[in-house]
Amino acid sequence: DIQMTQSPSSVSASVGDRVTITCRASQGISSGLAWYQQKPGKAPKLVIYAASSLQSGVPSRFSGSGSGTDFSLTINSLQPEDFATYYCQQGNSFPYTFGQGTKLEIK
Amino acid sequence: EVQLVQSGAEVKKPGESLKISCKGSGYSFTTYWIAWVRQMPGKGLEWMGTIYPGDSATTYSPSFQGQVTISVDKSISTAFLQWSSLTASDTAMYYCARLVVSMFGVVEYGMDVWGQGTAVTVSS
Repeated sequence: DIQMTQSPSSVSASVGDRVTITCRASQGISSGLAWYQQKPGKAPKLVIYAASSLQSGVPSRFSGSGSGTDFSLTINSLQPEDFATYYCQQGNSFPYTFGQGTKLEIK
Repeated sequence: EVQLVQSGAEVKKPGESLKISCKGSGYSFTTYWIAWVRQMPGKGLEWMGTIYPGDSATTYSPSFQGQVTISVDKSISTAFLQWSSLTASDTAMYYCARLVVSMFGVVEYGMDVWGQGTAVTVSS
């Protein structure tokens, strides 16, 4: 299985800040990476697919980059509704493993 | 509206069987895969497996192979996840999600629609 490692595991930031979360795959996955946002008690929500494509309806302050083994999710000008847990997932080969999650908290 | 609606919360005893469901609506059910994802209390997301309603082709994560069964009834646009004998370690939230998988086994466009989740509690 491909292992996905996110960093940091948690991060504190303030409204208006810029935050970057990284995800590393244990082997190359081309651009087969998605990012999900999950709020407590809710189902995950797709934010980014194919490493850098913004899901319809997601604010443009979210962006993704990377290919191969190293990826990142950047949120510009954090808004109160962005505080959540974020997961990366590789979709390049089965099983489509998730990272362990990054909790974005309000400072 | 495109949506996946899951069956309600379940409380079961160890050794009991269980089948939970995920009903799709608002789109062509047989042209998208359905995945099942587990989230244990306070933990992250785990990929369990997928099914293609068009031909019922199923793939399981090695971690879940033999532990659960994924099935579908396309006549009612519903996918299922079932256990024959539950244990306490099956206590979790289970989500279904829609996705497209290419002929090369690559997930296209991510998992864009999710069910609301079904909470399963197994306790004596």
